[in-house]
Amino acid sequence: ELKVEQNPLFLSMQEGKNYTIYCNYSTTSDRLYWYRQDPGKSLESLFVLLSNGAVKQEGRLMASLDTKARLSTLHITAAVHDLSATYFCAVDIGGNNDMRFGAGTRLTVKP
Amino acid sequence: NAGVMQNPRHLVRRRGQEARLRCSPMKGHSHVYWYRQLPEEGLKFMVYLQKENIIDESGMPKERFSAEFPKEGPSILRIQQVVRGDSAAYFCASSPGPEDTQYFGPGTRLTVL
Repeated sequence: ELKVEQNPLFLSMQEGKNYTIYCNYSTTSDRLYWYRQDPGKSLESLFVLLSNGAVKQEGRLMASLDTKARLSTLHITAAVHDLSATYFCAVDIGGNNDMRFGAGTRLTVKP
Repeated sequence: NAGVMQNPRHLVRRRGQEARLRCSPMKGHSHVYWYRQLPEEGLKFMVYLQKENIIDESGMPKERFSAEFPKEGPSILRIQQVVRGDSAAYFCASSPGPEDTQYFGPGTRLTVL
């Protein structure tokens, strides 16, 4: 059975601190997505990682993909309150945009 | 270009009633995906459709749930004889092709009383 595991599931950070969210998956895939979801809202696409070693950065967020280890990371640098949200990783398992989502990491950034 | 549209945004049904959720994909997108998000949980894939065809329904409950994406009009997720456990947010996403990024709609929040 395919598993997509994120950790931590809950993360409380101080502003200005750095942290990493991890996404492990149990099947072969070379396409991984990161999404952000604000409470009561839909998902916003953050990153699409398409190959082993891919690294993408946008503002204070940086995502990477290691397909051999079946691991993606989302690194947060110098967190600010506006980053408070739930972050989901999703793995494309069939090459047909058949995605499976992690449970999400609920991030709270405190002043 | 309008984004993915879903309606209604909120739907309240009593146990035993039917719920119909609609999804209009982005212009030019012919692939539609439905996901369910239970409270405090992540998204779970339900079904993947391309115009008039169901490509993958491995995440759909075997009973009471059905989906369609007709040649004309929106995709419909239909839940018959709803039960309290069906209360969730249902998200639809669309993409232009099978390997393109999916764009998500705002979701329909279904509450079963």
